[in-house]
This record gives sequence, structure tokens and C-alpha cells, in this order.
Amino acid sequence: DAGITQSPRHKVTETGTPVTLRCHQTENHRYMYWYRQDPGHGLRLIHYSYGVKDTDKGEVSDGYSVSRSKTEDFLLTLESATSSQTSVYFCAISEPDRGGIYGYTFGSGTRLTVV
Amino acid sequence: DAKTTQPPSMDCAEGRAANLPCNHSTISGNEYVYWYRQIHSQGPQYIIHGLKNNETNEMASLIITEDRKSSTLILPHATLRDTAVYYCIVNNAGNMLTFGGGTRLMVKP
Repeated sequence: DAGITQSPRHKVTETGTPVTLRCHQTENHRYMYWYRQDPGHGLRLIHYSYGVKDTDKGEVSDGYSVSRSKTEDFLLTLESATSSQTSVYFCAISEPDRGGIYGYTFGSGTRLTVV
Repeated sequence: DAKTTQPPSMDCAEGRAANLPCNHSTISGNEYVYWYRQIHSQGPQYIIHGLKNNETNEMASLIITEDRKSSTLILPHATLRDTAVYYCIVNNAGNMLTFGGGTRLMVKP
């Protein structure tokens, strides 16, 4: 989607290795999010950020850490990848409009396979 | 945080209106109804949102019942490209949306 890019798009990694996924935005939106999507579970929030260096946990944060040192970048790190973290990861951004409504814009996703 | 109920799947003929229902009987007064859709393998896409009044944009119409306990997303002339999973979300903390299972809409020729 325009204004938000995820890298890499695909990655295969071995169990126990660290992995970092990157989300980059050019919209200057305050909020950024990491979701994972698995069959039968839909989209689940991992972590989110409400500003530079301001982050919080979501529904499924165990095994993940995040960092946001710049407005435009939100990094998701799997400290020691496990097979249960094989998933499609989506980044999203949002900014409230004048009415306080948040329209999310999602990236194209990163397909991560842990073998 | 499962605040909405949607049918798991629906079919619609191409060119006809697709009416996707959503039940949100526990909605509170300051909670908005959002609709997103996810076309296969892509990230979800915002469609429309509303609080009380019916809303329309270039993509769809949103009809919210007077008691706000349910709503219907209407795609007036469904095309094959509208085949997707449609998510109805109720939230008053707009900075964090929770996605449920959604409705898988299949538009057939």
C-alpha cells in the first residue's frame, strides 16, 4: 500500500535464530501496529506504538519485542524464532482525523517461515 | 473482546447487491462500527465507519439500526473483485482495533 512498506516480503529462518521485520511509513502517522495472521485465528495484535519510543503490548506479545526510534520505522524482533511463530505478519499505521476516527492502512505483509 | 457476530460465509451473484450483516448487541454509546475487508493474501483495507447515522462512500453503504445493535454493509453492485473476508469491528478506543473472524464473501459469476 502507498505510504507503508514491509521488509522482507518473505523469509525462511531456522529455529532459535533472531529475526527482525521492518515496517516503514512515509505518512508521518503517530500509531503503528504489528499483527500476525494465522489460519483459524484471524488477525491478532502483537505490539503497537503510539509515538517514538512509546510502545505497548498487544494480545500475543510473548516472544516478540519492538522498537521505534524514528516516526517512520517500527521494528518487530523475534529474539529466538520458534516454529509457532511461522505466520504472516502485517504492519499497520493510523492517525486520528479531526473527528477522532482512526483509519488503518495496512502493509502488504511479511510471510515468515521458521523451520 | 469479541463484540461482533458475523456469518462465516456468504455468496452473492455478480452485479447484485451484497448485504453483509453484523450483530453488535452490546455496543455502547460512544463505540463506532468499522468495516474492513481483506482480499486474499493482502493486508486489510478500510471500507467505512459509522456511529449512528447511515453512511455511504464510493465503496459501500453502512446501515446501522436505530438501537445500534446491528448493522449491514451493502456493496451495491458486487463484482468478482469484491470476493474477500469482511470484518465488522466495534471500538471506542480507535487506536486499537480487534479483528474477529469476519464473513467470507464469495461473488459468483
